[in-house]
Amino acid sequence: EVQLVESGGGLVRPGGSLRLSCAASGFTFSTFTMSWVRQAPGKGPEWVASMKEDGDEISYLDSVKGRFTISRDNAVNSLYLQMNSLRDEDTAVYYCTRPRGYASGIYRLDSWGQGALVTVSS
Amino acid sequence: EIVLTQSPGTLSLSPGEGVTLSCRASHSVDSNSLAWYQQKPGQAPRLLIFAASARATGIPDRFSGSGSGTDFILTISRLEPDDFAVYYCQHFGSSQGYTFGQGTKLEIK
Repeated sequence: EVQLVESGGGLVRPGGSLRLSCAASGFTFSTFTMSWVRQAPGKGPEWVASMKEDGDEISYLDSVKGRFTISRDNAVNSLYLQMNSLRDEDTAVYYCTRPRGYASGIYRLDSWGQGALVTVSS
Repeated sequence: EIVLTQSPGTLSLSPGEGVTLSCRASHSVDSNSLAWYQQKPGQAPRLLIFAASARATGIPDRFSGSGSGTDFILTISRLEPDDFAVYYCQHFGSSQGYTFGQGTKLEIK
């Protein structure tokens, strides 16, 4: 069974930093692209960043470019999101997700963690 | 940039009824990139339908998806109490990543 478990959320002041972690199990982590998706209170989900299995290809939502950094450690089956210069509008539940379809062209997010709440407030 | 617009925003229905939810894309999209998710309060979204019409693993056949181009539909026949939730459509584009609609909330009448 695929399991994705996020940690590292919390309350941070505007301009502060936070690092989220995602521990993956139940599948061969090193062979999958991984993504972060966030959901602000009362809003729909919003994709944040993706990293291919070998770390060569990385993409970000425009509003987080230059502030957030996605990374992974395939040796310990973990995905990370370093978030710097946090803003009020970054307040959201952050989900670790497993995208599928890069080989087939049939794109979807087939597994989600339970989420980590990040609150940016003074 | 593709924008997904879902309608209606909220639907009030009774168990046993059927329902169709709409997702309209601002430009024609590849059906292979269109998916639907269900989200219950306090939970992560759950994949229901991918490639516009394929059911994800474990999803009952009461859920079906259809559509192409700019107009996509999620149909739920014979609503069960567990189906009352928020439903999102999603598109993937190589330049903008995953984008989601604003959601349709199904509530019990």
